[in-house]
Amino acid sequence: GPKVLQIPSHQIIDMGQMVTLNCDPVSNHLYFYWYKQILGQQMEFLVNFYNGKVMEKSKLFKDQFSVERPDGSYFTLKIQPTALEDSAVYFCASSLAFGTNQAPLFGEGTRLSVL
Amino acid sequence: GQQVKQSSPSLTVQEGGISILNCDYENDMFDYFAWYKKYPDNSPTLLISVRSNVDKREDGRLTVFLNKSGKHFSLHITASQPEDTAVYLCAAGGAKLTFGGGTRLTVRP
Repeated sequence: GPKVLQIPSHQIIDMGQMVTLNCDPVSNHLYFYWYKQILGQQMEFLVNFYNGKVMEKSKLFKDQFSVERPDGSYFTLKIQPTALEDSAVYFCASSLAFGTNQAPLFGEGTRLSVL
Repeated sequence: GQQVKQSSPSLTVQEGGISILNCDYENDMFDYFAWYKKYPDNSPTLLISVRSNVDKREDGRLTVFLNKSGKHFSLHITASQPEDTAVYLCAAGGAKLTFGGGTRLTVRP
């Protein structure tokens, strides 16, 4: 079936550096999401994105975070600069429709370790 | 505070029995309720979902019950099997989903 791919599965980076997490969503999906899960805690919504724009973001989506999907390629989450508390697994998701019409399909996550 | 809560972090059931997983939510504007299954190092996979205009939905061995007045929904898995062993995440919301902390289900042979 269709899959959301996240590359790489694990990324290690020094605090203060920039990191870009890549997500290859399902090809005909239009809505994109990032979720963050700190070890031992709940998976939490960061942001959703449609038609080149952020639709909604949570308090966890700090000013250092940005998302984009240039020219229909990867949907990316950029963190610049990174902080220790950014260490977590980041899940990307996509859906064909918004809200209650279709639940998002998730990728397997990228584990980000900030040292 | 946690808007979606799974009060039982773990549940053990004998093979063939019924697994009942519970989820409570706070926001009465939520109108979509879902259960995901997650293996370690794998993505959450949607199992079953309902909208707020339905109080029950069945799909094979899975049934979701929604109690809107009680802000509670549950997942019942009948004839539980060892391969049902996983973490089950409930999620509720509208334009975005808010997840619970998960319940680790273990089905013993």
